[in-house]
Amino acid sequence: DGGITQSPKYLFRKEGQNVTLSCEQNLNHDAMYWYRQDPGQGLRLIYYSQIVNDFQKGDIAEGYSVSREKKESFPLTVTSAQKNPTAFYLCASSLGTSFRGQPQHFGDGTRLSIL
Amino acid sequence: AQKVTQAQTEISVVEKEDVTLDCVYETRDTTYYLFWYKQPPSGELVFLIRRNSFDEQNEISGRYSWNFQKSTSSFNFTITASQVVDSAVYFCALRKEGTYKYIFGTGTRLKVLA
Repeated sequence: DGGITQSPKYLFRKEGQNVTLSCEQNLNHDAMYWYRQDPGQGLRLIYYSQIVNDFQKGDIAEGYSVSREKKESFPLTVTSAQKNPTAFYLCASSLGTSFRGQPQHFGDGTRLSIL
Repeated sequence: AQKVTQAQTEISVVEKEDVTLDCVYETRDTTYYLFWYKQPPSGELVFLIRRNSFDEQNEISGRYSWNFQKSTSSFNFTITASQVVDSAVYFCALRKEGTYKYIFGTGTRLKVLA
């Protein structure tokens, strides 16, 4: 079955440590996204990528980094510069803008906490 | 600027009641797309419906129905005869034509009590 796989489901970070969240999709989607969800704040866009080797900052990119070396993979690194990383992180993908109004498909999320 | 407002933070209903979730959006574009997603306790967002700005027909899918009114910039979602399994957070989202960005509302938590 096609879908988006995020791993791990739960992740703990020590102070000063970088951690990487994995996101893999087999939907053959061009675009991929990372969102952060905090209670009562909905989804906030961290980064998105339209094609391989290209990505753009979203609304809250500070303290995060991404790469897009393969179409199916879009890992997110939460760096030590992100002082408040505790949140639920969602990865999504969608077809390109030439496919009008296509919805996003989401993974199951990764819950990140500070030790 | 584009914006999506879901003013209802949390709604509680008793099973079998009807409930409407409100969504108001702001955009200056003539072509755009509106979406509703459901987020059950497990966490993943599940796509429910998409509407483009040129199609104001209301849609019904089983117990779910959607009312799109451009005159009031609203895209409301009604669940008829609610069930406990409908308990979730529901998000409304807006996407502008030709862009990759989706603008999400803050969500409405629906609790359906048995």
